Amino acid sequence: GDSVTQMEGPVTLSEEAFLTINCTYTATGYPSLFWYVQYPGEGLQLLLKATKADDKGSNKGFEATYRKETTSFHLEKGSVQVSDSAVYFCALKSGGSNYKLTFGKGTLLTVNP
Amino acid sequence: NAGVTQTPKFQVLKTGQSMTLQCAQDMNHEYMSWYRQDPGMGLRLIHYSVGAGITDQGEVPNGYNVSRSTTEDFPLRLLSAAPSQTSVYFCASSSPGDRGRLPQHFGDGTRLSIL
Repeated sequence: GDSVTQMEGPVTLSEEAFLTINCTYTATGYPSLFWYVQYPGEGLQLLLKATKADDKGSNKGFEATYRKETTSFHLEKGSVQVSDSAVYFCALKSGGSNYKLTFGKGTLLTVNP
Repeated sequence: NAGVTQTPKFQVLKTGQSMTLQCAQDMNHEYMSWYRQDPGMGLRLIHYSVGAGITDQGEVPNGYNVSRSTTEDFPLRLLSAAPSQTSVYFCASSSPGDRGRLPQHFGDGTRLSIL
C-alpha cells in the first residue's frame, strides 16, 4: 500500500538558517504529492503541491521537487523565520482517490530568534 | 469564505457517552473525509464519502459512524466513547476535478478528550 516516510523531528533552527525536511514515498501509479503545514492550535493548510515527476511546488519561500527516480519530495527553505515554527506533513494521493491522503508522521520545526 | 467548518472545537466526554462531531463545507465539494490525528502518527483516515448518500470506511473506522444526507454536511458519530478515541479530529473536503490531483481543504479540528 501507499506510505510516506518523513524525517523525524523535532528540528530546531536559528532564524535565517537553511531548512530541509526529507520525505520519501511508496505508491502505486503516479501519485500527487503535497506538503501541509499546521501552526499551533490550528488545522492543516496546504503549503505546496506537485502532481507529476520533476514538478517543483513553491510557496512562501518553501520549495519541493517531485523526484520520481528517488521517490522523494524534500521540503526546503533558504532562510527560515520564527513564524515558520509549525508541524510539517508530507502527504500523497494516488490512483485518483481524491478522498484519501496518506500522511507522514509530521515534523515539528522550531525556529529560534 | 467559510471553507470547512467543524464544531465543536473542544469536547470532554465520559467513557460510554455518545456524541456527534459536525462538519460542514460551503464549496460544493463532492468528496469529504474524516481523519484523526494522534501524536507521532500523522493523520489516519476514519471514514470518507464520495457524494451524498455514499460513505465508506477508511483505515480506522471502528467505533465511528458517518452519514452523508447532503453535499454540505458530513457528521461523525462516536457511538460509545472510549479513552482510545481521545484525539484531534479533522474533517476535509475536495473536488473530484483535475483527475484527482486537487488538494483537500481541512477544518480547524475538534479536540476530543475521553475520561
